Amino acid sequence: AQSVTQLGSHVSVSEGALVLLRCNYSSSVPPYLFWYVQYPNQGLQLLLKYTSAATLVKGINGFEAEFKKSETSFHLTKPSAHMSDAAEYFCAVSRGFGNEKLTFGTGTRLTIIP
Amino acid sequence: NAGVTQTPKFRILKIGQSMTLQCTQDMNHNYMYWYRQDPGMGLKLIYYSVGAGITDKGEVPNGYNVSRSTTEDFPLRLELAAPSQTSVYFCASSFRSAGQGEDKNIQYFGAGTRLSVL
Repeated sequence: AQSVTQLGSHVSVSEGALVLLRCNYSSSVPPYLFWYVQYPNQGLQLLLKYTSAATLVKGINGFEAEFKKSETSFHLTKPSAHMSDAAEYFCAVSRGFGNEKLTFGTGTRLTIIP
Repeated sequence: NAGVTQTPKFRILKIGQSMTLQCTQDMNHNYMYWYRQDPGMGLKLIYYSVGAGITDKGEVPNGYNVSRSTTEDFPLRLELAAPSQTSVYFCASSFRSAGQGEDKNIQYFGAGTRLSVL
């Protein structure tokens, strides 16, 4: 079985500050990992994904995440927060290519302080 | 581009009523999914389909039924609505075929249906 744990259901950062959203995973096989963003009253949109290639993954809107097998982590970062980054962020894991069923974390709501 | 379209956006049901949540995609995706999202929780997979005529249960299928008669449509049926089914429902789709690149293994989501059962 696979699972993800997102530490911190709410995170607040000042505009221009570093954004760090934490995700730890558990998987019995090499995982595929994803970060999705959900803006208010919208569906989920893919930010970035890790699929066993480069461990540092760059996504849209300046976000990136680093896969660390030794720490079973896939934390999401952005060097400088923008007001438009305010949203809910979900980490998800699948068992890898050929198994598209995703297991989601409980989400982290990001608030940007002007 | 329409992508994944869900209707209705909002619905209030009385206990015991039935309804169908509609989902259609215009990307020619073979895989489709239904999730529910409860407050403070991640998305839970209800049912999924790997192609027309093929469906399978996800993590929380009880109280729901699905069908997949066409590639485009994947409706979700609630037969006897219960308060525990109050949630936001998301439909998603993805494309996969043998030998494809990993870039295809991405799910695209609709905007959701907010359902209240009172």
